[in-house]
Amino acid sequence: SQQGEEDPQALSIQEGENATMNCSYKTSINNLQWYRQNSGRGLVHLILIRSNEREKHSGRLRVTLDTSKKSSSLLITASRAADTASYFCATDPFGGSRLTFGEGTQLTVNP
Amino acid sequence: DGGITQSPKYLFRKEGQNVTLSCEQNLNHDAMYWYRQDPGQGLRLIYYSQIVNDFQKGDIAEGYSVSREKKESFPLTVTSAQKNPTAFYLCASSIAGVGGYGYTFGSGTRLTVV
Repeated sequence: SQQGEEDPQALSIQEGENATMNCSYKTSINNLQWYRQNSGRGLVHLILIRSNEREKHSGRLRVTLDTSKKSSSLLITASRAADTASYFCATDPFGGSRLTFGEGTQLTVNP
Repeated sequence: DGGITQSPKYLFRKEGQNVTLSCEQNLNHDAMYWYRQDPGQGLRLIYYSQIVNDFQKGDIAEGYSVSREKKESFPLTVTSAQKNPTAFYLCASSIAGVGGYGYTFGSGTRLTVV
């Protein structure tokens, strides 16, 4: 079964707007990661946030983690058409040795 | 440049055939993984290996087999026992160990049963 669940399943915005995607998970984690996948391609690692961190930034990306609510959010600021892709959260559970992926959010940024 | 290479990009399989998907990495990563992705869905883990000559089943291992004879290589065989093999297959690698590390993915192999 999937550990992470992303919300919304699909998101369509205009260039320049911010995009927020959410991820909920079920078990205790060591870290949570976000990936991007362009259509028909492999996944690209965006950012990793550890269980003792609450917020992390990387360029136009901001990730938050709330372990009490077992949830994370990914914010993309000032979006561009090139940000159009599917975004997946992946959880690395305590005592585990592999990532479990959610079903993803399809983001469309309209020029 | 370091990276992970999957081949072929497209593969067609006849009913009853076994096919092997190649995955090679030159990142000196200890851990390697195979995931399956169906249209509009997330990734499901087939097999993973954290060290040479050792591998573990993931969530959907039935109908698949792997080997890990070299650190750089982790080929996946889709056997005739896999009832619905048409999918996008992704290989990944990472540094193994405590702490957690991001995965590097290949560009995928799209397998179609004809």
